[in-house]
Amino acid sequence: GENVEQHPSTLSVQEGDSAVIKCTYSDSASNYFPWYKQELGKGPQLIIDIRSNVGEKKDQRIAVTLNKTAKHFSLHITETQPEDSAVYFCAAHSGGYQKVTFGIGTKLQVIP
Amino acid sequence: EPEVTQTPSHQVTQMGQEVILRCVPISNHLYFYWYRQILGQKVEFLVSFYNNEISEKSEIFDDQFSVERPDGSNFTLKIRSTKLEDSAMYFCASSAGIGVSGNTIYFGEGSWLTVV
Repeated sequence: GENVEQHPSTLSVQEGDSAVIKCTYSDSASNYFPWYKQELGKGPQLIIDIRSNVGEKKDQRIAVTLNKTAKHFSLHITETQPEDSAVYFCAAHSGGYQKVTFGIGTKLQVIP
Repeated sequence: EPEVTQTPSHQVTQMGQEVILRCVPISNHLYFYWYRQILGQKVEFLVSFYNNEISEKSEIFDDQFSVERPDGSNFTLKIRSTKLEDSAMYFCASSAGIGVSGNTIYFGEGSWLTVV
């Protein structure tokens, strides 16, 4: 089955700096890569996703990149703000409408 | 914006008791899921459900678990005889199943189950 590795597990940045979270996946059939933000006591919220026919996608301060050859994908948050503090999960989806495999999560702390 | 709703938000139960967690998926969605998250760990897939039957399940989803869509709007997870290790946050989720964004999965806020 699919295995998703995510790092770092914790990340502290100063407000205004950039944050980068990296993930790798194992199943070359995976073709959909969502990123979720989870605030304390809440469910994962989709913040951005990328499909395998695209190498990069941007939405305001958030961007994702995908390298299918290397099976790497990354989340980039620029101009971080305190409200960006949360746990971020990468995930991979191996086609169809079945399960999503999550990474271990990255706890991001933005220091004001 | 449409959302997945779950009840209860928190339940405490005695070991060995049966628990039913309820969910109302997004109304035009066709695929439904249960995931769980043990405190401090990653979100784990339990089961997916489509066309009134289980389409995929993980090794966690053993005989003590069952899912049901009793009517046109609710989707339930039943744990028959709870164990201490079932204590976790349980997330219901749904996806449209069609279209370009058909496999985008939307999660509910979760039901926190504590088994004592």
